[in-house]
Amino acid sequence: DIQMTQSPSSLSASVGDRVTITCRASQSISSYLNWYQQKPGKAPKLLIYAASSLQSGVPSRFSGSGSGTDFTLTITSLQPEDFATYYCQQSYSTPRFTFGPGTKVDIK
Amino acid sequence: EVLLVESGGGLAQPGGSLRLSCAASGFTFSSYEMNWVRQAPGKGLEWISYISSRDSSIFYADSVKGRFTISRDNAKNSLFLQMNSLRAEDTAVYFCARYFVLRGVYYYMDVWGNGTTVTVSS
Repeated sequence: DIQMTQSPSSLSASVGDRVTITCRASQSISSYLNWYQQKPGKAPKLLIYAASSLQSGVPSRFSGSGSGTDFTLTITSLQPEDFATYYCQQSYSTPRFTFGPGTKVDIK
Repeated sequence: EVLLVESGGGLAQPGGSLRLSCAASGFTFSSYEMNWVRQAPGKGLEWISYISSRDSSIFYADSVKGRFTISRDNAKNSLFLQMNSLRAEDTAVYFCARYFVLRGVYYYMDVWGNGTTVTVSS
């Protein structure tokens, strides 16, 4: 099974900060990597698919990069509505998706 | 509007059963593969089951295999999860999610319901 890890597990940031979250796969997954945002009590929301493609309607301050085993989600100029938990997900072994453990972004 | 609405959650005793439903609207349900994903209290997301559009292909996570059964009724635009032999560790919010395939290459969950809560406790 493909295992996903994320770092950091949590971070504190201020509005306007640039935030970077890292996701690592236990084996190469090419670009089969998605990112989701989840706010408390809400369903996850797709942000990025295929490692770097922005889902329709998602603000351009979100971007993704990487391939193989190492991936990054970047939020430039963090906004108040961006405080949430972010999950990466591999779709290489579809349909047996695996999620990372999540990174919680909260207010400094 | 594309919408998924789960129902059927509640309190069950260990060893008991529950049947979850997911009602789809705003898109051609029969054309899409579907998933169930769960989230235990304070924990991350766990994929648990997948069903193809014509239910010819079904997969389960090891954690639920042999206890849970996924099914669908395309005529009623509905997805189901029959949960048997429930355990305390099955306590979670259960989400249904649409499986999207882009150009036959990339796969992701693009539409999610708001979830239904299952509590397994005596």
